[in-house]
This record gives sequence, structure tokens and C-alpha cells, in this order.
Amino acid sequence: NAGVTQTPKFQVLKTGQSMTLQCAQDMNHEYMSWYRQDPGMGLRLIHYSVGAGITDQGEVPNGYNVSRSTTEDFPLRLLSAAPSQTSVYFCASASWGANYGYTFGSGTRLTVV
Amino acid sequence: AQKVTQAQTEISVVEKEDVTLDCVYETRDTTYYLFWYKQPPSGELVFLIRRNSFDEQNEISGRYSWNFQKSTSSFNFTITASQVVDSAVYFCALSEAGRFSGANSKLTFGKGITLSVRP
Repeated sequence: NAGVTQTPKFQVLKTGQSMTLQCAQDMNHEYMSWYRQDPGMGLRLIHYSVGAGITDQGEVPNGYNVSRSTTEDFPLRLLSAAPSQTSVYFCASASWGANYGYTFGSGTRLTVV
Repeated sequence: AQKVTQAQTEISVVEKEDVTLDCVYETRDTTYYLFWYKQPPSGELVFLIRRNSFDEQNEISGRYSWNFQKSTSSFNFTITASQVVDSAVYFCALSEAGRFSGANSKLTFGKGITLSVRP
């Protein structure tokens, strides 16, 4: 099992550019979510999904879009990158009711200049 | 709304000392789940424990132990005989089991505690 795979690991964008952060899991997990981590802020939820075709906003959704067309994939789209979106992004997945928490990807470090 | 407070931001101890990381949570739900995650300097997030609101038994796993007290809304984490490899950021997190969510649903994280263990 690969677990949760995030690509790319590092990315530099110019203000106004768009891009998609990829996330894939091979564990057949129902739940998937995106978090951003900023110094002193912990991890904050951007968007989440409880299954294919179902997504919802988290705490900090502005400037980001998601879709969940398959169980395995949950891409995060930055529509028009801003310096405030410089952060480390984590994708995570979990199984309903399983006696463990989310499995996290290794993260994407994004810098917007 | 749910909230997790980790009032300690940085803790520094000498190897072999015991250390307790505090976590206080707020939720209106009667069914909820509490978690601890470890983030070592390499950056990945490592799951340590999940505890549901109906189980107040303390948990021990090797040098790690957790104390869950609903009366004080706390879920504290103690490392006994700390080691340099315990140096990391530790996050406490909470999820509520709402009508359309299961035991693993969206997590609310605290801001994390940076633990430094000196040799």
C-alpha cells in the first residue's frame, strides 16, 4: 500500500497563477480532506469529502476548490494564487469508524511569490 | 463549534525527564473523538492515539500514556523517561460524530506543542 500520495512535494508559484495539488489514496477510505499548516496556527481544514461526489467547506476554504470524482483522488485547486496561500498543505484520508485516525500524506510546501 | 486549546507552545526537557503535554477541548456533542498526532522534524504527521468520548480509561503504550477526563474536558499526554527522538511538535485534535459523519470525520487541531528533549 502506498497510503496517501501527494504531489508535488515542493512548488513555487507566481501571484495569480493557478495550480492543482494532487492527492491519491489506495486504502479505499471514505473520508478525505485538505489541511494547511502555518507557523503557530496548527493545521486548519480547507475542504473535506465524505465520499465520491460529496465535498464540503472547512475552516479556510476561500481561494480553493475541490472535487471528488473517485474514491481514490481528491485534488485541491488554487484558482489564483496569493502570497497568503504560502503554506504547507497536507492531504489526509480515513475510514469510517476505524479505530485509528487520519492517514496523512507527506505534505506539499507551496510558496507564492 | 469545536475548539482545541494547547496552552503550552514550547517545552524543553532533559533526556529521561517525564513531560506532560496538556490538551483542553470544547464541544457541544456528547459523542466525539480525541486524537494525538506527532510531527517530527522531518515533517510527516504520525497518528498516536484515538479516544472516544465514552471511554475514559487511561491508555498506556510503552513510555506514552494518556489521561482523558471529561469533567475537565482534558486529554493530556505524558511521555515517561523522555528521549531525544521524542523531540517533535505534538498536536491534539477533536472530531465530532455528527449526523452525517462517522467516527473519523473532520478534525479540529490545536496549535501544537513543540517539545525539545536535550541529551
